Amino acid sequence: DQQVKQNSPSLSVQEGRISILNCDYTNSMFDYFLWYKKYPAEGPTFLISISSIKDKNEDGRFTVFLNKSAKHLSLHIVPSQPGDSAVYFCAASDSEGAQKLVFGQGTRLTINP
Amino acid sequence: ETGVTQSPTHLIKTRGQQVTLRCSSQSGHNTVSWYQQALGQGPQFIFQYYREEENGRGNFPPRFSGLQFPNYSSELNVNALELDDSALYLCASSSGTERYGYTFGSGTRLTVV
Repeated sequence: DQQVKQNSPSLSVQEGRISILNCDYTNSMFDYFLWYKKYPAEGPTFLISISSIKDKNEDGRFTVFLNKSAKHLSLHIVPSQPGDSAVYFCAASDSEGAQKLVFGQGTRLTINP
Repeated sequence: ETGVTQSPTHLIKTRGQQVTLRCSSQSGHNTVSWYQQALGQGPQFIFQYYREEENGRGNFPPRFSGLQFPNYSSELNVNALELDDSALYLCASSSGTERYGYTFGSGTRLTVV
């Protein structure tokens, strides 16, 4: 039972354009969502998060949108840069702080020069 | 001490053997979680320890066990290894107060042959 799904295994975007990564979830108890970025041979690193009481959170080039009624969130990166090429994981939790994270399968983002 | 350090980085074991993976958390991080990441999948929660007690477990059999020590280090033990245990094992620590989730180590790549 995949509670968090990233349906696009890969995404290719031109440098300078917008990258949009999508994530769907099924568990209504999830109230905190995070995006992690992972380079090869490194652990996931935290990128941005959003609480279920918000529908948007922005941090520099990164914006996360949450649509609770659709159980959908998306990560927007604009403008995309070559260093953004990595695997992006969406994760969800049913409480803030140090609790169990449920991850999606990941989306490999490639930024082309 | 900053960062999360895992050892070893790579390990090859034979089916049926036992393995111990180690993690050294950031100072002050009294919560540690272990995740299993199979090839092409997102990390899956194994269990979490808080102040040396297990306080959450994912859908993993009892042959997966752990320990957390007062010096912010922890261990993941897997008995009776199976071929499907081949994966990247990630340790993640948190002080439990920050909103941005865990700090992950780079992982231990376990191969069971």
